[in-house]
This record gives sequence, structure tokens and C-alpha cells, in this order.
Amino acid sequence: DAKTTQPPSMDCAEGRAANLPCNHSTISGNEYVYWYRQIHSQGPQYIIHGLKNNETNEMASLIITEDRKSSTLILPHATLRDTAVYYCIVRVLNSGNTPLVFGKGTRLSVIA
Amino acid sequence: GAVVSQHPSRVICKSGTSVKIECRSLDFQATTMFWYRQFPKQSLMLMATSNEGSKATYEQGVEKDKFLINHASLTLSTLTVTSAHPEDSSFYICSARGARGLAGGMYEQYFGPGTRLTVT
Repeated sequence: DAKTTQPPSMDCAEGRAANLPCNHSTISGNEYVYWYRQIHSQGPQYIIHGLKNNETNEMASLIITEDRKSSTLILPHATLRDTAVYYCIVRVLNSGNTPLVFGKGTRLSVIA
Repeated sequence: GAVVSQHPSRVICKSGTSVKIECRSLDFQATTMFWYRQFPKQSLMLMATSNEGSKATYEQGVEKDKFLINHASLTLSTLTVTSAHPEDSSFYICSARGARGLAGGMYEQYFGPGTRLTVT
């Protein structure tokens, strides 16, 4: 079962920052927060993950609250190609055969 | 690095026939492969988990005799939909988990581009 809650949809103007929230109030101490996205008719794409510190890579930034009960994925300058469903997933790192379990995600629409 | 391919990308078959979908890890050895199914406007649903050389573990409600999974090598897994019916029409996505040290973190899952199956 997915252990996260995300808004079903969001809109963002092209060029603006997209801030996608995720609630994971039951996260365990050894669970990481992962973000994937799925562009229409494609396989999911890894974006970023973190434990408790904020993380940044070439795609996005991940802000995790101090109590780790929620996080925000930030796409600093959204483009039309960022239109996708974004999934927030919590899981233990190096969890062997445990697969990623996908919730319903947030459908982000970037508007010109 | 960490590329997963699927073949075919799209297939149409007649009801009652079988269809095989291949999933390959191109630049790493996949100790574990996962198969997901996705119906329109729904999320990915895990079908089964397979380790190289072992029998697959199927999720509840997934018929193992209908969805045959073979993971004969560290770079190839196949999903065969036997006696396909229109309700099997879906987007099938494989995912491979590699070894420590790959881009994106240790033991991450990398996804194939998906195969759209249409059963007429």
C-alpha cells in the first residue's frame, strides 16, 4: 500500500517553479523519500531521493520537513516537457526484493 | 547508464493467442526484475517479482499460469501473456534493479519504456 498522500492534480505556468507536495506522516526512520515521474505512455523516470537533508540535482530539488512527515519536490523552471504524473514514494534504501509501490501521484500540467 | 529496454513497444494480437514481451537491462546486471501493469488513467500495479534463475513471485490476484515470467539471465526477463483476452489489454512495464554503485543511488529500480498490448 502506498504510504503517501499527494494532490491529484496541479497546474503550473511555463517558466515558473512547480512545487509538488507530498505527505508521508507514517514514514519510518530508515525510509527514504523518492520521487519518480511518468510522462504519458512512457515508463517511470527517477527524479531524486532523500532521507532528511534537502537534496538537489540537475532535475529538481527535494525539501523534506524537519519532522520528515512531508516533503516538496521543486522543479525550478517548469517546461512543457515536465507535464507528467509525479509519484512520491517512501521506501527503505537497499531493500532487496521490495519493489516500488506507486500511489495515484499528482498530475502536473505545465501551461504555456 | 542504467538503461532498460522493452520489446515490442506496441503489439496487437487476436483473442486467444499468446504474446511475449522482452525486458533487457542494457548496461548492468539486473539481479531482480519487476513487472507492472497500468490501465488507462490508473497507477502502476505490481504483477510479479523475479530473481535470476528463480521462479517469479506473483502478487495476489495475478494468475501465474496466464502471465508466465522467465528470468533466465541477469540481463533478460520475459513476460508471456497466454491466451490473451481483451481485458488483458494494458500498458506493461518492466523494471530492473541492479547492483550497488549505479547512477541514481544504490539498488535503484530502473524502468523500461513500456509495452502497449491491445487484444482484439
